[in-house]
Amino acid sequence: EVQLVESGGGLVKPGGSLRLSCVASEFSFSSYSMNWVRQAPGKGLEWVSAISGSGIYMYYADSVKGRFTISRDNPKNSLYLQMNSLRAEDTAVYYCVRDRGDLYSGYAPSYYYALDVWGQGTTVTVSS
Amino acid sequence: EIVLTQSPGTLSLSPGETVTLSCRASQSVSSSYLGWYQQKPGQAPRLLIFGASSRATGIPDRFSGSGSGTSFTLTIGRLEPEDFAVYYCHQYGTSPPYTFGQGTKLEIK
Repeated sequence: EVQLVESGGGLVKPGGSLRLSCVASEFSFSSYSMNWVRQAPGKGLEWVSAISGSGIYMYYADSVKGRFTISRDNPKNSLYLQMNSLRAEDTAVYYCVRDRGDLYSGYAPSYYYALDVWGQGTTVTVSS
Repeated sequence: EIVLTQSPGTLSLSPGETVTLSCRASQSVSSSYLGWYQQKPGQAPRLLIFGASSRATGIPDRFSGSGSGTSFTLTIGRLEPEDFAVYYCHQYGTSPPYTFGQGTKLEIK
């Protein structure tokens, strides 16, 4: 079964750091671009960051640019989100999400453009 | 950044009814890049529709999407009890940042 499993969430003080991990299984991980999407308590979904299948191209929402870093280790089928200078407004469930293909490989037919596999999420709480 | 506005915020309906949810974009979005997602309490979202009108694998045909430009809709025919959830539209645009609508909650009357 195609699966994404996140870990690394927890309680951290404002200004602190946390590293989220996501392990993928049962698909060719390097062939897909990946995303982090978050959801604050009782709120809607917010796209946070994306990375190409090769790991060369990375993109960020303005709200996290300069503080968060997305990365991946393809041999380990793993995606990461390094979160620094955390703020109370970063409190959320963080989902690891797969695109239907690699949107940034130079060949991306239209049917690649969908978030088709979601992890169960990991909770990050930023509070003193 | 493209802003997606969903309406209404909440809908109260009965099983068996048909409902149409709206998603409007602040600027034109290619229909290839527009998707709809369903989220039930305590669960991760699930892809329903991609490319504005294509159903994802395993999605019943009572779910249908349409639209173009700045106006998109998700129609759910013959509501089943399991369809009561929050629905989000999402767009990729030509480049990041990608955005979601604020969601429409479908609740049982």
